[in-house]
Amino acid sequence: NAGVMQNPRHLVRRRGQEARLRCSPMKGHSHVYWYRQLPEEGLKFMVYLQKENIIDESGMPKERFSAEFPKEGPSILRIQQVVRGDSAAYFCASSPRTGNTGELFFGEGSRLTVL
Amino acid sequence: SQQGEEDPQALSIQEGENATMNCSYKTSINNLQWYRQNSGRGLVHLILIRSNEREKHSGRLRVTLDTSKKSSSLLITASRAADTASYFCATDANSGNTPLVFGKGTRLSVIA
Repeated sequence: NAGVMQNPRHLVRRRGQEARLRCSPMKGHSHVYWYRQLPEEGLKFMVYLQKENIIDESGMPKERFSAEFPKEGPSILRIQQVVRGDSAAYFCASSPRTGNTGELFFGEGSRLTVL
Repeated sequence: SQQGEEDPQALSIQEGENATMNCSYKTSINNLQWYRQNSGRGLVHLILIRSNEREKHSGRLRVTLDTSKKSSSLLITASRAADTASYFCATDANSGNTPLVFGKGTRLSVIA
């Protein structure tokens, strides 16, 4: 059983470019969460999605950031017009159940570097 | 703001010793989880303890939960060099469908 798959693992962008991060949840999981981690920091919640629905985006910056989880295909975290402060590791996690009643299964992360 | 705060921020011990990490949180919870993260990798779930449980064991791991003090501890017994990692507690607020909130973690170094 494949785990949560994230790609790319590493992404380098110049300021002003767009970054697209992809996440395929574990088979059978319909709930996806995106977290951001700065160096030596914990994970900060960004957004929680189910298929075709954004359930909670309270942790997502209001501008430049968007997320989707279409009926077919992976979840996408999109960052437009990246700035140096966007440099971080972005982790996707999935779960089979609603909300937070059980463990999350994490991918290996996508590390974004903005030059 | 972070819900869970781990203490200490960093811990260095010799192989074979026990490692204890603490987590404090602010609001009522349904359950508390501990995760491990090796450098440059994703998080791996270790153990979940429910709000009506006081202690739980899994192999060399022992977790306690004190809801009156809003705190939890993770004990790793007979540590090994391979236990070197960051350890995070994660909590869910006991209201609605809220996501897990992670602390800043404890960086554990086990020296062989």
